Amino acid sequence: NAGVTQTPKFRILKIGQSMTLQCTQDMNHNYMYWYRQDPGMGLKLIYYSVGAGITDKGEVPNGYNVSRSTTEDFPLRLELAAPSQTSVYFCASREGRLNTEAFFGQGTRLTVV
Amino acid sequence: QKEVEQDPGPLSVPEGAIVSLNCTYSNSAFQYFMWYRQYSRKGPELLMYTYSSGNKEDGRFTAQVDKSSKYISLFIRDSQPSDSATYLCAMIVTTGTASKLTFGTGTRLQVTL
Repeated sequence: NAGVTQTPKFRILKIGQSMTLQCTQDMNHNYMYWYRQDPGMGLKLIYYSVGAGITDKGEVPNGYNVSRSTTEDFPLRLELAAPSQTSVYFCASREGRLNTEAFFGQGTRLTVV
Repeated sequence: QKEVEQDPGPLSVPEGAIVSLNCTYSNSAFQYFMWYRQYSRKGPELLMYTYSSGNKEDGRFTAQVDKSSKYISLFIRDSQPSDSATYLCAMIVTTGTASKLTFGTGTRLQVTL
């Protein structure tokens, strides 16, 4: 199994550009999450989804959008990139509501200049 | 006030020492308590989980939860250089079908020879 796959691994964006961070999982997990991790700041929840067609905001949703058209995919869209969005982005999935283990992708390192 | 508080460290200990890592939380609705380990430039991986007050042991690792004090701990015995990583506490609260996974800031641990 590939698990959780994120693309791209690295990206440099100019201020005002937009991009989509891709996340796909092959474990048929219902729950998927997007986090950002700034140095020394831990993981902050951006958006999460409990299943196809259902998404909800996390702690820091401003400047981001998500969609969940299939169980496998949970892309994160950045519109009008800002330097404050420079971070490492992690996608994660969990099987169900009571499953504790979340599986993480390898992360996307994004720099906005 | 953050829902989950964790001392970011860094914490440096000699090989063989006992390490104590701690988190406090404010949301009494948290039901599941976990510790994730994150090596540099990697996604976090589940180390241990528990859902009740008390201790849970797994090899050199012991997870402790005190729900009355809203306090969780991870103890590492006979610490090894390979334990050098960032340790993140994490908690789950479920409401209906929603299941939010919230992380602490992480504590960076360095075990020296």
